[in-house]
Amino acid sequence: EPEVTQTPSHQVTQMGQEVILRCVPISNHLYFYWYRQILGQKVEFLVSFYNNEISEKSEIFDDQFSVERPDGSNFTLKIRSTKLEDSAMYFCASSTDRGDSPLHFGNGTRLTVT
Amino acid sequence: GEDVEQSLFLSVREGDSSVINCTYTDSSSTYLYWYKQEPGAGLQLLTYIFSNMDMKQDQRLTVLLNKKDKHLSLRIADTQTGDSAIYFCAASGGGNKLTFGTGTQLKVEL
Repeated sequence: EPEVTQTPSHQVTQMGQEVILRCVPISNHLYFYWYRQILGQKVEFLVSFYNNEISEKSEIFDDQFSVERPDGSNFTLKIRSTKLEDSAMYFCASSTDRGDSPLHFGNGTRLTVT
Repeated sequence: GEDVEQSLFLSVREGDSSVINCTYTDSSSTYLYWYKQEPGAGLQLLTYIFSNMDMKQDQRLTVLLNKKDKHLSLRIADTQTGDSAIYFCAASGGGNKLTFGTGTQLKVEL
């Protein structure tokens, strides 16, 4: 069964550094998402992306965050200048359709900011 | 905004049925999902139900939806040790912006 893949599985970075989290969505999917889960807290929506632009974003997704689909297969989340509170598990997801198809999630990237 | 609540823990004996409950607040939620998360792994889609349905069965899994009470449950029949995981309920108001519950840790004892 096709799946969403994320790399790396674990990223450690120093505060103030830029990080790029990478995702390869399922190949026939058109909608892409990033969610995050801070340890001990709920999974939270960050951003959705379709047709090479952001469809919706949450309050968390401020100017420090950006997303990109640099080629036909990858979908990336960039954090420009990481803060301690950015430490979390970041999940990429994709779906075939915005309204009536389920999201398929990757295994996540655990980001640790020191 | 939407709020989704679940109990934090459930312990059952192997072979028994497990019932994990979830409540949500937004009556316009169109899809409701159950995801499973094993230690160190991602969010595995188990099943989902559209809001105009009240029940969905898929092998050992039964989802019940009470739209009036905004209550969703997941029943796992003949629970096995491999079912031990965290189960997340999530609600979607359309656009696939999901609101997740805190997750219910299911522990299956021999």
